[in-house]
Amino acid sequence: EAQVTQNPRYLITVTGKKLTVTCSQNMNHEYMSWYRQDPGLGLRQIYYSMNVEVTDKGDVPEGYKVSRKEKRNFPLILESPSPNQTSLYFCASSLQRGYNEQFFGPGTRLTVL
Amino acid sequence: AQSVTQPDIHITVSEGASLELRCNYSYGATPYLFWYVQSPGQGLQLLLKYFSGDTLVQGIKGFEAEFKRSQSSFNLRKPSVHWSDAAEYFCAVGEGGYNKLIFGAGTRLAVHP
Repeated sequence: EAQVTQNPRYLITVTGKKLTVTCSQNMNHEYMSWYRQDPGLGLRQIYYSMNVEVTDKGDVPEGYKVSRKEKRNFPLILESPSPNQTSLYFCASSLQRGYNEQFFGPGTRLTVL
Repeated sequence: AQSVTQPDIHITVSEGASLELRCNYSYGATPYLFWYVQSPGQGLQLLLKYFSGDTLVQGIKGFEAEFKRSQSSFNLRKPSVHWSDAAEYFCAVGEGGYNKLIFGAGTRLAVHP
């Protein structure tokens, strides 16, 4: 089944404790991205990757890091989480060429105390 | 800068009634427009998209949307709502050439029996 998976689905942590949210897709998509969803703001892009070893900032990259060492994986790293990073996070992937459908993962709800 | 406005935060309709969700966009060039639905606890699913051509677009689950350039709108419609349509709906515009989506804040739909 074609899908985007994220782990963990739920995470409660404390300020400053490094964490990683994993994202994996099995559709051989070149393009992957991370969004955060906050009430009243919709989804905002954090980082994106056009292919392996190619990443760039989205609209709200502060406090986040990403890496793309393999085509299928695109982890989101919070090296020193803060309470304002409490949010619902979505990973998405799509084919690179043109405006193709983006497939979204199920989301990761992160709470930073 | 590109933006998407969904004027209605919450909408409640009775089952069987018609539905229209509003979406207005601000974009300098020909927009690539999308509607996504997010069911409780789920990721985002693409309902329909507009790239060019016929301004009335048919999607899944009986939804359609009409692109009106003169009004900068892309409203989503359904002639008869089912209880399972209760969800949050997001309008989005595709930016640039990298599949980046700019989302509206979302409209939460409740369906009364």
